Amino acid sequence: DTGVSQNPRHKITKRGQNVTFRCDPISEHNRLYWYRQTLGQGPEFLTYFQNEAQLEKSRLLSDRFSAERPKGSFSTLEIQRTEQGDSAMYLCASSLEAPVPTGGWRETQYFGPGTRLLVL
Amino acid sequence: GQNIDQPTEMTATEGAIVQINCTYQTSGFNGLFWYQQHAGEAPTFLSYNVLDGLEEKGRFSSFLSRSKGYSYLLLKELQMKDSASYLCAVRVYAGKSTFGDGTTLTVKP
Repeated sequence: DTGVSQNPRHKITKRGQNVTFRCDPISEHNRLYWYRQTLGQGPEFLTYFQNEAQLEKSRLLSDRFSAERPKGSFSTLEIQRTEQGDSAMYLCASSLEAPVPTGGWRETQYFGPGTRLLVL
Repeated sequence: GQNIDQPTEMTATEGAIVQINCTYQTSGFNGLFWYQQHAGEAPTFLSYNVLDGLEEKGRFSSFLSRSKGYSYLLLKELQMKDSASYLCAVRVYAGKSTFGDGTTLTVKP
């Protein structure tokens, strides 16, 4: 399978514990995104990497959240001192910008299956 | 801020045609995407529009009017498996996309 993979698929933790999620993007994709999604809402942007550089981080992301992408390959998202409000689906997506025949560039994000976090 | 509006829910009959509208007001625009998301699963890419007009792809078509900040997704010959949430997303600039909350489509026999 050459798609985006995420591990674990499900995580149950107690409030106050730290959790770490992993995302393996499509190998030739240089951009990697993390989103959070709760029931009935669309994906909410958290952060974005181009290769190993973290270029943008949502202001909604507290200091308890940190993401890394060492060597520009896989990425990890860590949540420290989890709170019940952190319960959500955490989605990773990767993309590669490509030229469009009519001019300009096109970027399509391909999503992984997500990690569903439940904080008790 | 970024604002994307879609109807929350729609219902249609198997075999019919349905149009899901999306209006947006964003600080930038570099393309509009439609994704399909089945319950408990990740979004999957359906279509991309960056220029005005209609893009057709099998049973699915997507339309964009940049001057009106408006797009729609047209689904023809509806099937039961098309019951899902449909997400409109605007690529505001490279690396930043904003998603609507999705339209839950229910297809009835």
